[in-house]
Amino acid sequence: QKEVEQNSGPLSVPEGAIASLNCTYSDRGSQSFFWYRQYSGKSPELIMFIYSNGDKEDGRFTAQLNKASQYVSLLIRDSQPSDSATYLCAVKFPAGNKLTFGGGTRVLVKP
Amino acid sequence: ETGVTQTPRHLVMGMTNKKSLKCEQHLGHNAMYWYKQSAKKPLELMFVYSLEERVENNSVPSRFSPECPNSSHLFLHLHTLQPEDSALYLCASSPKGWFSETQYFGPGTRLLVL
Repeated sequence: QKEVEQNSGPLSVPEGAIASLNCTYSDRGSQSFFWYRQYSGKSPELIMFIYSNGDKEDGRFTAQLNKASQYVSLLIRDSQPSDSATYLCAVKFPAGNKLTFGGGTRVLVKP
Repeated sequence: ETGVTQTPRHLVMGMTNKKSLKCEQHLGHNAMYWYKQSAKKPLELMFVYSLEERVENNSVPSRFSPECPNSSHLFLHLHTLQPEDSALYLCASSPKGWFSETQYFGPGTRLLVL
């Protein structure tokens, strides 16, 4: 069983629309959740982190966490072509203190 | 620019070669990490150093040997690699100890083993 799962995509979104990305994780005791963006050929860069149930907004990005259902999502509002990238979900599992990454969701924003 | 640099950016080596990857962070962070990113696979943690002490070795083959001489530098020594070791090797650092804060990634070294 994969520990952190994401749909690999590609998720095709028209410019200006909302992109919705989902991530599920296996360890119910997980406390910290991160979203990284990785452009093709580049390294991952952190865009959001969330620790508490509910929503956290930062600019056009909103992270949503539901620990009971063991999922975390990322919404990108007013999607721009520059948002086209792979989005990696990462979860800090309590055992071993490791940060485990999902396989990433590729997002393609079409003008 | 995240303050984490890696050299070389690209490396081609034969299976009998010995090479080293270098990572340097200019952020004053206490923890440094090596990750492997292969095509169509999740990012895999290889090693973690916190305050220059190795705190995690994620079942990595011995042909990969890390070295952390000080809190700003991290090396990955490579010898007798296999073609399946071809991947993007990413270095990262975090401020206050391992995994207690968010991680900042370097640009990576793209390695091809022939």
